[in-house]
Amino acid sequence: DQQVKQNSPSLSVQEGRISILNCDYTNSMFDYFLWYKKYPAEGPTFLISISSIKDKNEDGRFTVFLNKSAKHLSLHIVPSQPGDSAVYFCAASVPASINDMRFGAGTRLTVKP
Amino acid sequence: DSGVTQTPKHLITATGQRVTLRCSPRSGDLSVYWYQQSLDQGLQFLIQYYNGEERAKGNILERFSAQQFPDLHSELNLSSLELGDSALYFCASSVGGLNPGELFFGEGSRLTVL
Repeated sequence: DQQVKQNSPSLSVQEGRISILNCDYTNSMFDYFLWYKKYPAEGPTFLISISSIKDKNEDGRFTVFLNKSAKHLSLHIVPSQPGDSAVYFCAASVPASINDMRFGAGTRLTVKP
Repeated sequence: DSGVTQTPKHLITATGQRVTLRCSPRSGDLSVYWYQQSLDQGLQFLIQYYNGEERAKGNILERFSAQQFPDLHSELNLSSLELGDSALYFCASSVGGLNPGELFFGEGSRLTVL
């Protein structure tokens, strides 16, 4: 069951522009959301997270927005850099537990110089 | 370097065989998670252990089993292998407990079943 969906398998943007990666979820019990970044031949690494009590969390060039009513979150990268080229996974978990963290299929971001 | 070590990095075997994947979590982490990533698929949660005990089970086949040892390393056993079991298997660790937080992933073990 695809409780976390990333409908865009790939995204290409120009260096310096904004990258927007989207994620939708179906389980209204999810209350903690994370983005992971994965380079080839490496495991995913944590990028940024947001709790359901917030609608925005910012960390440098990365901002995650959460729209609970739409069950939608997005990751904005501004400005995009070639080193940001990677696969980005959206993940969600239920209250007070990451025992069953659900991941999306990932979006491959390519940032062109 | 996440601090999570997985071996082997690559494994090629035949259908019907049995393999064991090993994971050493970050120092101090009590929870170990196993995920499977098939081609173009997301990370599918298989199973989680916390301090030696099974804590949660996901979409893990009956042909697969896992355990966490007293030294906190974990092994994922895959038996009666089928072609469809070819995938990247990731181990992740966390401090554990009930507080949400990030997972630290190993580099993965790529299994190819021929």
